[in-house]
Amino acid sequence: GESVGLHLPTLSVQEGDNSIINCAYSNSASDYFIWYKQESGKGPQFIIDIRSNMDKRQGQRVTVLLNKTVKHLSLQIAATQPGDSAVYFCAENIDNFNKFYFGSGTKLNVKP
Amino acid sequence: NAGVTQTPKFRILKIGQSMTLQCTQDMNHNYMYWYRQDPGMGLKLIYYSVGAGITDKGEVPNGYNVSRSTTEDFPLRLELAAPSQTSVYFCASSHSGTGKNTEAFFGQGTRLTVV
Repeated sequence: GESVGLHLPTLSVQEGDNSIINCAYSNSASDYFIWYKQESGKGPQFIIDIRSNMDKRQGQRVTVLLNKTVKHLSLQIAATQPGDSAVYFCAENIDNFNKFYFGSGTKLNVKP
Repeated sequence: NAGVTQTPKFRILKIGQSMTLQCTQDMNHNYMYWYRQDPGMGLKLIYYSVGAGITDKGEVPNGYNVSRSTTEDFPLRLELAAPSQTSVYFCASSHSGTGKNTEAFFGQGTRLTVV
């Protein structure tokens, strides 16, 4: 799920399978991270967040893992559904003023 | 609550024209943001504000101006539209303060084309 220039990386999964979307962040001082889901023609929507003092956080069907050593985030979606098809962005908070910087995104395509 | 409301949803501008993208939120959030999203890309921060009367530049502020006279409103001004400003613009707001859930709530976007 790394950015590769102008083309969004795409992850295609079968309905019911688990999905893993990856994100590399840039600043070791970032202390708060959010995953957003953006459906076509809509604004991004919050999925799950994690603070830098945690390695893992679970929500409903979603889990975020944080590896601060290699500055890497992942989003795991269990039992992926067609409604999960969207572009997923990770965002990092670099300072205390809630100024979020977004990654380039990964497109998740769920095949029925 | 309506959340974050942006107007207009679509706009076509000619090169050199000016316009204001409107953004208002009814969640009493102190922090507001303007992002642009080019096709197939992530969001780039243009300007942000931590409260009424306070604004600051983000990653890509050139060609834009903002003001924050009230907590609710955060308009984005394009003075001399250029083709490079063709993009989808998103306004967002969030709670202030550390230690809280501070996710940003986004508007539906304004699709701007400069020809």
